Amino acid sequence: DIQMTQSPSSLSASVGDRVTITCRTSQSISTYLNWYQQKPGKAPKLLIYVASSLQSGVPSRFSGSGSGTDFTLTIRSLQPEDFATYYCQQSYSTPYTFGQGTRLEIK
Amino acid sequence: QVQLQESGPGLVKPSQTPSLTCTVSGGSISSGDYYWSWIRQHPGKGLEWIGEFYYSGSTYYNPSLKSRVAISVDTSKNQFSLKLSSVTAADTAVYYCARVSYYDSSGFFDCWGQGILVTVSS
Repeated sequence: DIQMTQSPSSLSASVGDRVTITCRTSQSISTYLNWYQQKPGKAPKLLIYVASSLQSGVPSRFSGSGSGTDFTLTIRSLQPEDFATYYCQQSYSTPYTFGQGTRLEIK
Repeated sequence: QVQLQESGPGLVKPSQTPSLTCTVSGGSISSGDYYWSWIRQHPGKGLEWIGEFYYSGSTYYNPSLKSRVAISVDTSKNQFSLKLSSVTAADTAVYYCARVSYYDSSGFFDCWGQGILVTVSS
């Protein structure tokens, strides 16, 4: 299985901040990397697919980059509704695997 | 707008074989445009892919669960189901069904059900 490691595990930030979350994979996966946002008690929501493509309806302050084994999710100018847990997921090979999550909290 | 809704028992006893169903509305499972998947999340933990299928019958399972899992489809009802055999407390989780879209051979879960908590307890 491809192992996914996100960092940091948790992060405190303020409204208006720019934050970056990193995802590292145990082997090269090209750009087969997706990002999700999950709020408490809710299903995950797709934000970014194939590393950098913004899902329809997702605000442009979210962006993704990377290829190979190192990827980043950047949120420019944090909004109150962005405080949530973020997961990366690889679709290079089955079993599809997810990162352990990054909890973004209000400072 | 496609919607997915999970249903099934919320409480099951150890060793039982619960069945969960995902009802899809606003789109057809047999359209051939998507795969369909089950994912679970243990309480307070991360996400685990269980498996997925294509309407024509192709199924793919997580090897960690393959011996206990079966995904089936009822195209007449636009539903698909998950059976998990010989459950233990370790199978207590929120179970999600999701639609899998593909772009440039990369699959991603672009539509999710709300999830159903399945608790395994005697």
